[in-house]
Amino acid sequence: NAGVTQTPKFQVLKTGQSMTLQCAQDMNHEYMSWYRQDPGMGLRLIHYSVGAGITDQGEVPNGYNVSRSTTEDFPLRLLSAAPSQTSVYFCASSPGPDYGYTFGSGTRLTVV
Amino acid sequence: AQKVTQAQTEISVVEKEDVTLDCVYETRDTTYYLFWYKQPPSGELVFLIRRNSFDEQNEISGRYSWNFQKSTSSFNFTITASQVVDSAVYFCALSRGGTASKLTFGTGTRLQVTL
Repeated sequence: NAGVTQTPKFQVLKTGQSMTLQCAQDMNHEYMSWYRQDPGMGLRLIHYSVGAGITDQGEVPNGYNVSRSTTEDFPLRLLSAAPSQTSVYFCASSPGPDYGYTFGSGTRLTVV
Repeated sequence: AQKVTQAQTEISVVEKEDVTLDCVYETRDTTYYLFWYKQPPSGELVFLIRRNSFDEQNEISGRYSWNFQKSTSSFNFTITASQVVDSAVYFCALSRGGTASKLTFGTGTRLQVTL
């Protein structure tokens, strides 16, 4: 049972480039989320989804897009990378409301 | 608006000492959930506990215990007889009832356990 799988683990981008962070889970969880972790700020919610075809914005959505075409996958797209998006990104999934989240191992992104 | 405060940025203890990590939360909701996560040096986030707002019973799991007090809006975490493997960053988090997609995290407490 792989849980929540994030790829890549590390990425360096140049300012203005675009890319997609992949997230897949094999637990048939309906709820999936993306967080970013910055020093001294904890984790902040970027986007979330409560099921296939349903997404919504979190606390810090600007510069990011998401889609949820299947239950398993929840990719995060950076449209035009900026140095302020240098962070560690975590994907998480949950079976539903009021349950704990299972987190992926994270993607460390550096934008130069 | 919801808020989680972990006032202790870093704590250092010697192995076998007991240590308590503080968590204070703010919410206007009557139904909410509180969580603790552990982030070891390897970087992953490990779920430790979930507690709903209607259950104020303390919880004990091995060397770990949690004290939930609604009167002081606190959900503190105690590690008894700490070990080097407990060294990590610990995050407290809050979600509204029925909307667990939106976790609000504290800024974390880094615990260093030395021999």
